[in-house]
Amino acid sequence: EDQVTQSPEALRLQEGESSSLNCSYTVSGLRGLFWYRQDPGKGPEFLFTLYSAGEEKEKERLKATLTKKESFLHITAPKPEDSATYLCALGADGLTFGKGTHLIIQP
Amino acid sequence: DTEVTQTPKHLVMGMTNKKSLKCEQHMGHRAMYWYKQKAKKPPELMFVYSYEKLSINESVPSRFSPECPNSSLLNLHLHALQPEDSALYLCASSLERNNSPLHFGNGTRLTVT
Repeated sequence: EDQVTQSPEALRLQEGESSSLNCSYTVSGLRGLFWYRQDPGKGPEFLFTLYSAGEEKEKERLKATLTKKESFLHITAPKPEDSATYLCALGADGLTFGKGTHLIIQP
Repeated sequence: DTEVTQTPKHLVMGMTNKKSLKCEQHMGHRAMYWYKQKAKKPPELMFVYSYEKLSINESVPSRFSPECPNSSLLNLHLHALQPEDSALYLCASSLERNNSPLHFGNGTRLTVT
């Protein structure tokens, strides 16, 4: 059975303080590892898809990386507007989501 | 604003009511999805449609009835719901059923009284 585990559950950072979010997974055949951002009361917003180990993608202050067992979402010099819940998901028929990391960036 | 539009944004209904949630996308996507999300939990898959045919029903109770009238529209018909069905109902679409990123609407906040 596909499984996704995210850590930490919550993270509070100062503005400008870089950090990484972790997504560990087990899957019989990877059909994509997806990262989403979700703001309160909104639907998840697509950020990245990674398909193979060693792949990296970047968007503004975010960089996603993938190994055979886990993915990291690196946040460089975050701003308060980066505060959100970040969800990792395995692709298949629909998505299997992890429980998310609730990120707070304090000014 | 997202490219997946859901209406209404909020809905309050009694346990004996019948109501429908609507979802629309014009991105030419051929797969559409319904998810349920409770507070502080991740979205949970309910139904998957591919090329307007129901592909997956994740053992959802029959009081939830999906419908895909055409490739751009997805409905969720609600009847005889329970208070524990109160949640954010999210619609999503993707280019194809497998591998493609899902694009979500902002959901309908449903309260069952």
